[in-house]
Amino acid sequence: GAGVSQSPSNKVTEKGKDVELRCDPISGHTALYWYRQRLGQGLEFLIYFQGNSAPDKSGLPSDRFSAERTGESVSTLTIQRTQQEDSAVYLCASSFDNAGNTIYFGEGSWLTVV
Amino acid sequence: SQQGEEDPQALSIQEGENATMNCSYKTSINNLQWYRQNSGRGLVHLILIRSNEREKHSGRLRVTLDTSKKSSSLLITASRAADTASYFCATDTNAGKSTFGDGTTLTVKP
Repeated sequence: GAGVSQSPSNKVTEKGKDVELRCDPISGHTALYWYRQRLGQGLEFLIYFQGNSAPDKSGLPSDRFSAERTGESVSTLTIQRTQQEDSAVYLCASSFDNAGNTIYFGEGSWLTVV
Repeated sequence: SQQGEEDPQALSIQEGENATMNCSYKTSINNLQWYRQNSGRGLVHLILIRSNEREKHSGRLRVTLDTSKKSSSLLITASRAADTASYFCATDTNAGKSTFGDGTTLTVKP
């Protein structure tokens, strides 16, 4: 596609439920990032995929969070047993590779846990 | 702690004035990039400066990089109300992934 596409754009879920967020990166981009941004805060790194290398999961805040990527295409971020503290916008981004190329962001998935 | 940290956290100026934001980082970098985020939207790339460069310009934007001080600055000249946004620096190291700071929130009053 023309840009990074994320879905859903908004999600309201009940505490304890699982949610799955989807990211379609720009075609041909080997690097894919997930970030979390709480209201009024900076970007919190979650996970980084680069080609066929093992993903860098160092930013995942707990074992309730997991992410997968199919080859160099779609990625899903799954949050199990959601908590109110998980409420944030989840931003996906991709770049051509990891050599300092421009990172292109999606518009984010706004998650509200009630 | 963050690799890149911006200051000030918030900046409020009048239209027409210049705005300067700073970014400091801890480890050696390959590149440093500045991004802009309008409220509630994704980030948009503004400018990239490589570790062997000292200054770059793009329109009303001027970025400097001082690798000896591990710092960068973003200057927006002749600011406009439409420049109101949050500005983030991102550093990319040999590890590959880019790390963002907490951002500077700029308000330009008409």
